[in-house]
Order: sequence, then structure tokens, then C-alpha cells
Amino acid sequence: AQSVTQLDSQVPVFEEAPVELRCNYSSSVSVYLFWYVQYPNQGLQLLLKYLSGSTLVKGINGFEAEFNKSQTSFHLRKPSVHISDTAEYFCAVIASGGYQKVTFGTGTKLQVIP
Amino acid sequence: EAGVTQFPSHSVIEKGQTVTLRCDPISGHDNLYWYRRVMGKEIKFLLHFVKESKQDESGMPNNRFLAERTGGTYSTLKVQPAELEDSGVYFCASSQQYTEAFFGQGTRLTVV
Repeated sequence: AQSVTQLDSQVPVFEEAPVELRCNYSSSVSVYLFWYVQYPNQGLQLLLKYLSGSTLVKGINGFEAEFNKSQTSFHLRKPSVHISDTAEYFCAVIASGGYQKVTFGTGTKLQVIP
Repeated sequence: EAGVTQFPSHSVIEKGQTVTLRCDPISGHDNLYWYRRVMGKEIKFLLHFVKESKQDESGMPNNRFLAERTGGTYSTLKVQPAELEDSGVYFCASSQQYTEAFFGQGTRLTVV
């Protein structure tokens, strides 16, 4: 079984400042890692994913995340946030090679302050 | 290409009533999943269809919940009778084999 921990339930940050949203996972098997974003009144949208290869993955809207196997982390970063980045962000994992039963974290609400 | 569509977007019902949620997956996606998020908590897996067959229904909370996927196309999730603790956002997702899941906008269910 897998589990995902997002320690920060809310992260306020000023516009144009950098941000890091933290994610740690636990699994007894290899996993694929994802970040989803939910904008207000919208569904879940895939931001980026790590399946294999380079541990630094780039996603949409200028976001990137780095897979760190030794620390079992997959933190999400953006060097300069915009007001439009205000949303809730979910870290998620699935067992690699298996079907797509996703285990989510509790979500982090990013609030960008003008 | 149309994404995953869920209907209704919002439903308010009284305790004891029945509600049916519908999900139309992306055309050609054999895998269909239901998830639920109770307020403030994580999004939890409910069940997984492969075509019309239930592959995994380990996340279904109790027998008041019934999911169907007739003909391997759209799916319905019925809650009967609804209880207060069933309130939350119900997400549907679909995928092809071994690819990421695409999610719908969710149905916000409020039981009063």
C-alpha cells in the first residue's frame, strides 16, 4: 500500500515570490508520482508526472518537481508565482506497472497574495 | 476531444433520499474510477471498472453505494439511502491502459 503526506495544508505567498509545496510518500514498491491542481470550481488537472528517467520533471504553467528516492519526496516548485496559481495542489502516487488506483495526499491550498 | 464529464455538478438532498451520479469517460478509455473527497480530507479511491467489470471495489464505504457501468461506457454511482456523512465531492476519472487518469470536474453532494 502507498501513502502520501502533504504537511502544509495552506501556503500563502506573495505574487512573484518563489514557492515550494512539500510532498513525501511511503511505499513498499516502486511508484509513479504526480501533482494535480484544482482551480476554484474546476476539476482535477494533471500538473506533472514522474514515471522514470530524469528526476527533475517540468510541468505546465512553469511548475517543476524533483523526485528524491532517498528522501521519498516529490516537492513541487515554481520560481515566481502569479495570482492565477491560486488553487489547491494534490500530490499523488500509484504503484508502478499497475493499474491506476491513485493514492492522494490531503492537498495544499496555495494562496497568492497581490 | 471531450474530457470526463460528470453530472450533476451539484446536488443537495435530504437524508434518506436517493441520489444518482453519472460519469461519462473519455471515449475509448476502458478504465473508469470513482473517488470521493470528504471535506478537508484526502481524495479516496472508491472503485475501478475495466470496461463493464468491477476490477476493484475495495474503497466502497458500505452497501448503500452501488456503482454500475452498463455496456462499458458511462457509469452511475447511486447512494441509497443517503446519510449526512456521504456529503463530499465525488470525482470520476478515466484512463487507457497504463497511462495517467483524467479527472472530471466532480459532483458536490450535500446531504442535509
